[in-house]
Amino acid sequence: GENVEQHPSTLSVQEGDSAVIKCTYSDSASNYFPWYKQELGKRPQLIIDIRSNVGEKKDQRIAVTLNKTAKHFSLHITETQPEDSAVYFCAALRGIKAAGNKLTFGGGTRVLVKP
Amino acid sequence: EAGVVQSPRYKIIEKKQPVAFWCNPISGHNTLYWYLQNLGQGPELLIRYENEEAVDDSQLPKDRFSAERLKGVDSTLKIQPAELGDSAVYLCASSLGYGTGGAETQYFGPGTRLLVL
Repeated sequence: GENVEQHPSTLSVQEGDSAVIKCTYSDSASNYFPWYKQELGKRPQLIIDIRSNVGEKKDQRIAVTLNKTAKHFSLHITETQPEDSAVYFCAALRGIKAAGNKLTFGGGTRVLVKP
Repeated sequence: EAGVVQSPRYKIIEKKQPVAFWCNPISGHNTLYWYLQNLGQGPELLIRYENEEAVDDSQLPKDRFSAERLKGVDSTLKIQPAELGDSAVYLCASSLGYGTGGAETQYFGPGTRLLVL
């Protein structure tokens, strides 16, 4: 099955700096890669996603890049703010006709933005 | 539009007791998922429903866990009997049915935090 590795497990940045989180996946058939942000005690919230036919996607201060050949994708947060502090999860999805959409999550990255 | 609703939000029980969690997905979402999230880890799929049919329950510990989605809308996840190691957050998510445009996106509920003493 799919295996998603996420690094680093913790990341501390100064407010205004950039943060980068990297993930690798094992199943070359995976074709959809969402990123979720989870604040303490709250639900995972989708912040950005990318499909396998796209190499890069940007939404204001957040961007995601995908390298299908190397099977890795990254989340970039620019001009970090204290409210960006949370746990971020990457995930990879393989749509399987017989069994629907199977989403596998990475282990998470705890991001702390210091004012 | 209302999001995924779960109840209760918190539950404390003694080991060997039964417990049940309830989930109401986003209206119109045919696919419903139950995930287990241990502290400091990513969610892990327990079971996935397409309408009322469980299409993937390979990760569900069937000796003590059961789930149902009788009318293809809301769902219940049950543990009987609960063990100490079951303490975790149980997340429900929903998405449009497989094959539908945008079906990949899963929306999560707030979860039920279970503590087994």
